[in-house]
Amino acid sequence: DADVTQTPRNRITKTGKRIMLECSQTKGHDRMYWYRQDPGLGLRLIYYSFDVKDINKGEISDGYSVSRQAQAKFSLSLESAIPNQTALYFCATSDSGTSFTDTQYFGPGTRLTVL
Amino acid sequence: GDSVTQMEGPVTLSEEAFLTINCTYTATGYPSLFWYVQYPGEGLQLLLKATKADDKGSNKGFEATYRKETTSFHLEKGSVQVSDSAVYFCALSLIYNQGGKLIFGQGTELSVKP
Repeated sequence: DADVTQTPRNRITKTGKRIMLECSQTKGHDRMYWYRQDPGLGLRLIYYSFDVKDINKGEISDGYSVSRQAQAKFSLSLESAIPNQTALYFCATSDSGTSFTDTQYFGPGTRLTVL
Repeated sequence: GDSVTQMEGPVTLSEEAFLTINCTYTATGYPSLFWYVQYPGEGLQLLLKATKADDKGSNKGFEATYRKETTSFHLEKGSVQVSDSAVYFCALSLIYNQGGKLIFGQGTELSVKP
């Protein structure tokens, strides 16, 4: 079984709809992240969480919100989806440790299309 | 601000050709450097990393050396295979007060033809 899972894998929705993307991990990591990937722009950080009670905005958090329901679960919500939120969304995890060189482990991605 | 710049793709090579993908960075502190690879339809996975100047990361025949003097971390492989076709991302992680966040380059698509 995959260590980091994302649901759904694909979603098509309409402008103005509320959408939730879910991420679960079995790695036992404290840190979780949400990124979006756009062609030619690489990955950009939306939100990150260092533990259940610690949630922080990334570089492109406007229009998004998150919920850390448990150590293993981190959800991303689009309250009112708009077409420029069409992208590939990735969840990632890393161990807390004292080293900032820890590897991040990525889920398979959710492809979201907003019409 | 802190950033990563990669050579633009797509890069198309024949099997067994030599590969170089250039990566340079700008950082205010002392970053760790990473190469991540994304195979078609999959998430990113770590390919290699280096945590201090002059370190060489290596994995699956790929190598990259952390060059502080040129702020570079170029990815190389002596003989590519069709199975190396993927998108490659260079990234940095700052060592202090950034909590292990990664800053990614834009990605370089590699296509290897038989």
